[in-house]
Amino acid sequence: QSVLTQPPSVSAAPGQKVTISCSGSNSNIGDNYVSWYQQLPGTAPKLVIQDTDKRPSGIPDRFSGSKSGTSATLDITALQTGDEADYYCGTWDSSLSASVFGTGTKVTVL
Amino acid sequence: QVQLVQSGAEVKKPGASVKVSCRTSGYTFTSYGVSWVRQAPGQGLEWMGWISAYFDNRKYSQKFQGRVTMTTDTSTSTAYMELRGLRSDDTAVYYCTRDLFSRIFDPWGQGTLVTVSS
Repeated sequence: QSVLTQPPSVSAAPGQKVTISCSGSNSNIGDNYVSWYQQLPGTAPKLVIQDTDKRPSGIPDRFSGSKSGTSATLDITALQTGDEADYYCGTWDSSLSASVFGTGTKVTVL
Repeated sequence: QVQLVQSGAEVKKPGASVKVSCRTSGYTFTSYGVSWVRQAPGQGLEWMGWISAYFDNRKYSQKFQGRVTMTTDTSTSTAYMELRGLRSDDTAVYYCTRDLFSRIFDPWGQGTLVTVSS
């Protein structure tokens, strides 16, 4: 069972914004950088945010990340149909000495 | 460009072992670690462990300790993950991914479906 909690689903119309939360604890999000991964249907995950708020090369600025205390957030603005996917947060857990992922959030474009 | 290419799908019987390979290219293999992550059908991502080719260090998730072995072959820039004592709930897609600081996984292999069935 994951130690990072995400909402099962979020949705919005094209052009709108969605926000995905990732709730953890002091031993993971509270103490480490957070990454976010996009998994399109039937494909491998892809890194979209690293080190909490940095976009890898090639990721549009519509994707942004932030963190406050033991929670992290991924925002996707100007939503497109191609953004429909599952999104996972991830970080290191210092107590478990293990990498951990969130429960995953399905983004639906209405 | 950086690529990780995994071996093909496997079907195994309960109690058997499986060994999945992950051939890397486009970067210096010994400068990064490789993590293995699995995803059961319809489920989320589960980290299994990490190996450093340079230091020959490895860290396994407690859940898989004693059942998993991760190795590397620096001559071919390939990582391997062997899982023993397979059970039906080990049926999953297994991914390898280049690992930076145990918190940045990029990129990922295409995945290897392992089906455990009698």
